[in-house]
Amino acid sequence: DTEVTQTPKHLVMGMTNKKSLKCEQHMGHRAMYWYKQKAKKPPELMFVYSYEKLSINESVPSRFSPECPNSSLLNLHLHALQPEDSALYLCASSQDPDIEKFFGPGTRLTVL
Amino acid sequence: GQNIDQPTEMTATEGAIVQINCTYQTSGFNGLFWYQQHAGEAPTFLSYNVLDGLEEKGRFSSFLSRSKGYSYLLLKELQMKDSASYLCAVSAGRYIPTFGRGTSLIVHP
Repeated sequence: DTEVTQTPKHLVMGMTNKKSLKCEQHMGHRAMYWYKQKAKKPPELMFVYSYEKLSINESVPSRFSPECPNSSLLNLHLHALQPEDSALYLCASSQDPDIEKFFGPGTRLTVL
Repeated sequence: GQNIDQPTEMTATEGAIVQINCTYQTSGFNGLFWYQQHAGEAPTFLSYNVLDGLEEKGRFSSFLSRSKGYSYLLLKELQMKDSASYLCAVSAGRYIPTFGRGTSLIVHP
């Protein structure tokens, strides 16, 4: 299994909703990432988990809450989002932080 | 911090060769990545350069000069499916690559 899967593919939520994005990989990678990408912009790093521990938080607002239940799973919990949070959310994994990352297909999030 | 610069858009003809440049300014350089991203899809890994020189992988090659802070991605025998955004990403310091804004390549018949 050489892929990163993400669910859901698309998500529409209101500003008062609580939702979660899920990411899964079975490549034995020890580093997992959340990126946010707006249209025609590069991916922006949000969080990095290394060996199931949060190692980097790029000053992301607390309405985004990451969770790494085990080495294969990464969640992103969403609460009280703003319309400007609408974007493509990409999960990625790698064996080590400084080598190629495998990206999931992303979740297209729309906040109304 | 890091400063990564690449052209916003390029156009080329099917069957031709195109070179996409990336210049960067950073401290503590670890390596440079190239990713391809089709519209609405996730980035896919193309190459990783740590040492100076040319790395060839099929129709795609990537070059790095660390002293000049410069890399390029060379695409040969262009195909229509090569129309995509090409992202240069530089790893420095804490080993987490930072992406450039990407170059949108349009291949026309």
